[in-house]
Amino acid sequence: EPEVTQTPSHQVTQMGQEVILRCVPISNHLYFYWYRQILGQKVEFLVSFYNNEISEKSEIFDDQFSVERPDGSNFTLKIRSTKLEDSAMYFCASRTGRTPTDTQYFGPGTRLTVL
Amino acid sequence: AQKITQTQPGMFVQEKEAVTLDCTYDTSDQSYGLFWYKQPSSGEMIFLIYQGSYDEQNATEGRYSLNFQKARKSANLVISASQLGDSAMYFCAMREGWGGGGNKLTFGTGTQLKVEL
Repeated sequence: EPEVTQTPSHQVTQMGQEVILRCVPISNHLYFYWYRQILGQKVEFLVSFYNNEISEKSEIFDDQFSVERPDGSNFTLKIRSTKLEDSAMYFCASRTGRTPTDTQYFGPGTRLTVL
Repeated sequence: AQKITQTQPGMFVQEKEAVTLDCTYDTSDQSYGLFWYKQPSSGEMIFLIYQGSYDEQNATEGRYSLNFQKARKSANLVISASQLGDSAMYFCAMREGWGGGGNKLTFGTGTQLKVEL
């Protein structure tokens, strides 16, 4: 069964460094998402992406964040200058977009630790 | 106001028993969808079940069913015949509106379910 994959599974970085989190959505999916989950808290929406542009973003998704689909398969989240409070699990999700109600399928997550 | 409220931070159930995890929601949209996801200790988010606001029947998927009470704005997850592998965090989530745009999900705070022998 096709699934969303994410790399790396765990990333440790120093405060102020740039990180790129990578996702490979399910191949026939057209809508892509990033969510984050700070340890012990609920999952929060960051950004959605369709047709090579951002369709919606939350107030968390400020200028230090960016997303890109550099080729036909990868979908990346870049954090330009990491802060301690960026430490979280970051989930990528995708859906087909064939119907307005189709389900978002999540990847296994990347745990980001900022020291 | 919280859009998704899960009032049970933790629940215990005996193996083979049924358990209900509560979820209430708040939206002014007529079209919306409600989802339940399972998050085991390994951290991944596993889709369990979906209920659309216009669906007349309660959704069912194997041992999972959704008790949808639209007037009360509740969408409780029922797990029948609990198994040890059901021990996990369970999140209720809502998509507001009828597709288009981002279709983002708003999540509740989750319920930690522990299945005991």
